[in-house]
Amino acid sequence: DADVTQTPRNRITKTGKRIMLECSQTKGHDRMYWYRQDPGLGLRLIYYSFDVKDINKGEISDGYSVSRQAQAKFSLSLESAIPNQTALYFCATSDPRTGGNNQPQHFGDGTRLSIL
Amino acid sequence: RKEVEQDPGPFNVPEGATVAFNCTYSNSASQSFFWYRQDCRKEPKLLMSVYSSGNEDGRFTAQLNRASQYISLLIRDSKLSDSATYLCVVNTGKLIFGQGTTLQVKP
Repeated sequence: DADVTQTPRNRITKTGKRIMLECSQTKGHDRMYWYRQDPGLGLRLIYYSFDVKDINKGEISDGYSVSRQAQAKFSLSLESAIPNQTALYFCATSDPRTGGNNQPQHFGDGTRLSIL
Repeated sequence: RKEVEQDPGPFNVPEGATVAFNCTYSNSASQSFFWYRQDCRKEPKLLMSVYSSGNEDGRFTAQLNRASQYISLLIRDSKLSDSATYLCVVNTGKLIFGQGTTLQVKP
């Protein structure tokens, strides 16, 4: 079983729809992150959370919201999807107890989202 | 200027070749550094951390030059299975990812 699971893996939807992407982890990590990846660009941080109900904006949070109601789950919502939100979305986790600021991040398999 | 810059490539090399990637970063207060590997349409996976003293893991060697603000990754004796995109990652308090360098190892 994957340690970091994203659902759905693929989604095609229409402009204006509300979309929720789910991420769950069995690693017991406190920190969770949402990124998007676009061709020719690096991964860009959307939101991150260091603990339950802790929410922090990343580089590109406009048009997105998140919820962290439990340690193991971090969901990303697109309130009203638009075509330029078409991208590959990754959830990641990390554990500050291992390596401090040198902590690596562990990624889910990704969600491929297409907005028509 | 991007915070983390990499040559996107692609680097096309024959099996057995030695290949090196460089990455530059702009924030002199960056705390830690990593190389991740990403296969096509897959999630990034940590390849190795990068330490000031340099570090080696089998055929892979990573080095950090804080004065010049660049990081390098050397791959010796390239294998077909090394074909992937290599992401330079810098921790400034949060992780900043480069766009990646694509490596294609040919038979």
